[in-house]
Amino acid sequence: GAGVSQSPSNKVTEKGKDVELRCDPISGHTALYWYRQSLGQGLEFLIYFQGNSAPDKSGLPSDRFSAERTGGSVSTLTIQRTQQEDSAVYLCASSLGPGGHSGNTIYFGEGSWLTVV
Amino acid sequence: KQEVTQIPAALSVPEGENLVLNCSFTDSAIYNLQWFRQDPGKGLTSLLLIQSSQREQTSGRLNASLDKSSGRSTLYIAASQPGDSATYLCAVNGSYGKLTFGQGTILTVHP
Repeated sequence: GAGVSQSPSNKVTEKGKDVELRCDPISGHTALYWYRQSLGQGLEFLIYFQGNSAPDKSGLPSDRFSAERTGGSVSTLTIQRTQQEDSAVYLCASSLGPGGHSGNTIYFGEGSWLTVV
Repeated sequence: KQEVTQIPAALSVPEGENLVLNCSFTDSAIYNLQWFRQDPGKGLTSLLLIQSSQREQTSGRLNASLDKSSGRSTLYIAASQPGDSATYLCAVNGSYGKLTFGQGTILTVHP
């Protein structure tokens, strides 16, 4: 597609349930990122995938959070046993290659708004 | 640990004014810096990316500068318009796209 696509755009779930958030990066982009934006916390890095390399999971806040990327394209972020503090916007982003010294612009999706009640 | 600060937190100006948004960062070992715009309820839109070796980038009415040694960047918006109203975020890239964001500047341009 033309941009980074995320689904669902909005999700309300009960505390304790598991949720899955999906991200479709821009076609041809090898790098994929998940960020979280919560009130008062700003934007924080969660996880990074680059090609077939092992992902950088250093930003995942707890072992209830996991993510996978199948076939080097679509990614799913899973939150198990959701807690109220997980309520946030989960933003996915992608870039043509590593968005570091190669200077690749990072493009963000519209986000998945998660509310845990 | 990299920390990014944006000043001011909020800014309200009349249409037509030129304005400057400031961003500072504590660790100068960055690959690049990116300015984003975020509209309410929306994702982030990339405005400008400045490589660490560059001093500035321009796109239309926007100009961003980078002084890596002093840990500062500014975003200059010329002839502001109501449609420029949004939150502007500065993000530094210390490693392959693992961005550290500032808290943002909420800009309101009133007619």
